[in-house]
Amino acid sequence: AQSVTQPDIHITVSEGASLELRCNYSYGATPYLFWYVQSPGQGLQLLLKYFSGDTLVQGIKGFEAEFKRSQSSFNLRKPSVHWSDAAEYFCAVGSDNYGQNFVFGPGTRLSVLP
Amino acid sequence: GAGVSQSPSNKVTEKGKDVELRCDPISGHTALYWYRQSLGQGLEFLIYFQGNSAPDKSGLPSDRFSAERTGGSVSTLTIQRTQQEDSAVYLCASSLGSAPGETQYFGPGTRLLVL
Repeated sequence: AQSVTQPDIHITVSEGASLELRCNYSYGATPYLFWYVQSPGQGLQLLLKYFSGDTLVQGIKGFEAEFKRSQSSFNLRKPSVHWSDAAEYFCAVGSDNYGQNFVFGPGTRLSVLP
Repeated sequence: GAGVSQSPSNKVTEKGKDVELRCDPISGHTALYWYRQSLGQGLEFLIYFQGNSAPDKSGLPSDRFSAERTGGSVSTLTIQRTQQEDSAVYLCASSLGSAPGETQYFGPGTRLLVL
């Protein structure tokens, strides 16, 4: 079964600074990889996903993520953070859509300083 | 168009009572998922529906939890004899199909508090 780790429970950055959120996974083959964002009191919104092809994936809100097979990582990046980016970010990994084959990481909470 | 909706948005109940949580998926979405998000935790998969059938109930934590889906649309998650450890946010998601990697669209969740 897959597993996902997000090593950083909480990250604080200043507005305008760059951001990188880490995601590492354990899976035998190339999985499907996702990043979701959850704003306070909201459901999860998909930022981007990777299936195959170009390992650098562009998403919404200026986010991008890079799949690195050798490091089993799928880190999320943004060059310049906005105050509205403060939220909880979840990495998800799966070979299927549900159950034990689709796993969310524990999340990273992002705080943005003015 | 309308997204996934859930009701109620908040529910406070007493230990031992039954609760019903409702999910209205996006129209035309055949797959529906329930998750539980406890404080400070990630998402825990509960159950998946394809149409009205539930091929995977493996995530339901106990026999106090059940779910059904009617007409390939609305789904209800029922928790019987609620316990304090059931307190969590219950999230519903739907996807157009169930092919691997289909994007899941999430509702805002129902926040359940068991006193």
